[in-house]
Amino acid sequence: EPEVTQTPSHQVTQMGQEVILRCVPISNHLYFYWYRQILGQKVEFLVSFYNNEISEKSEIFDDQFSVERPDGSNFTLKIRSTKLEDSAMYFCASKGQSNQPQHFGDGTRLSIL
Amino acid sequence: DQQVKQNSPSLSVQEGRISILNCDYTNSMFDYFLWYKKYPAEGPTFLISISSIKDKNEDGRFTVFLNKSAKHLSLHIVPSQPGDSAVYFCAAIQLPNTGNQFYFGTGTSLTVIP
Repeated sequence: EPEVTQTPSHQVTQMGQEVILRCVPISNHLYFYWYRQILGQKVEFLVSFYNNEISEKSEIFDDQFSVERPDGSNFTLKIRSTKLEDSAMYFCASKGQSNQPQHFGDGTRLSIL
Repeated sequence: DQQVKQNSPSLSVQEGRISILNCDYTNSMFDYFLWYKKYPAEGPTFLISISSIKDKNEDGRFTVFLNKSAKHLSLHIVPSQPGDSAVYFCAAIQLPNTGNQFYFGTGTSLTVIP
């Protein structure tokens, strides 16, 4: 069965550094998402992406964050200047049609030191 | 503002018995609900969904019930198996928003005791 894949599985970065989290959505999917889950808390929506642009974003997704679909297969989340509170699991998800469930990757654990 | 709530952080059930996981929501505009299952070190996996026009959806051992007037949904697993031990998240969305932001509950950790 097709899967959403995320790399790396664990990223350790110093505070203030830029980090790029990578996702390869399922190939024929059209809608792409990033979520995060801070340890012990709920999964939080960050951003959705459709038709090569952001369709919705939460208040968490401030100017430090950006997303890109650089080559038609990857979907990346960039955090420009990381903060300690950015430490979390970041999940990428994709879906084919608007009325279908999202398929999630296994997540990237981001640890900011 | 937590629009989707799972008030039980954990649940233990004997193998073979029924597991009932509950979820409440506050936004009456939600019209599609999903349950996801999550094992440690893995992403959430879609389990079952229900549209707001239905009150029940069944898939094998999993049944989701929706009570719109009470803004409550539940996931029934019967019979429960040790492999069902995981964290279960309910999620809700409002269609037909293109963004389809999912609102997740905080999860319930289910332990099925052999």
